[in-house]
Amino acid sequence: KQEVTQIPAALSVPEGENLVLNCSFTDSAIYNLQWFRQDPGKGLTSLLLIQSSQREQTSGRLNASLDKSSGRSTLYIAASQPGDSATYLCAVLGNAGKSTFGDGTTLTVKP
Amino acid sequence: NAGVTQTPKFQVLKTGQSMTLQCAQDMNHEYMSWYRQDPGMGLRLIHYSVGAGITDQGEVPNGYNVSRSTTEDFPLRLLSAAPSQTSVYFCASSPSLTGELFFGEGSRLTVL
Repeated sequence: KQEVTQIPAALSVPEGENLVLNCSFTDSAIYNLQWFRQDPGKGLTSLLLIQSSQREQTSGRLNASLDKSSGRSTLYIAASQPGDSATYLCAVLGNAGKSTFGDGTTLTVKP
Repeated sequence: NAGVTQTPKFQVLKTGQSMTLQCAQDMNHEYMSWYRQDPGMGLRLIHYSVGAGITDQGEVPNGYNVSRSTTEDFPLRLLSAAPSQTSVYFCASSPSLTGELFFGEGSRLTVL
């Protein structure tokens, strides 16, 4: 059974810092990995999708990497802003369309 | 383009009542799925479908029923609601088994 762990569970940083969120998974037989943002009481907004054949994806200040052999993905946020405050979730898509989510990292960026 | 639409957004039920959460997508996606999210946790897969007439169980299927009669619609039925089913429910669709997931805004269910 696939297990996905996100560390840390919560993170507080001052505005302007660069930061890294971690996502690890136990079964490397995945099709893709997707990072989401969730604001309190809201739905999930897709940030980045990394196919299994890719090693990284970039969108603006966000960069996500994938290392299947070590079962890890990282989400790098450059020059953090208070508007980046949210919960960040990673999801691993494996066999037969079954996806497994981590519990998320709640980020607070202080002005 | 509406994307994935869920109704209702909020619902309060009494224990033992039944109800259906609706999910519709207008992107002609083959893959659709239902998740529940409990406080402080990630999403857990309830049921999913890889096309009209085909459904399968996810991680937490007990107490829920689904059907997929059309490509667009994937309703989730609670047969006899229990307090343990109090949660936020999300519907998602994808163009393929391995494609990007697109989510609805969620349905908040409280069972008293």
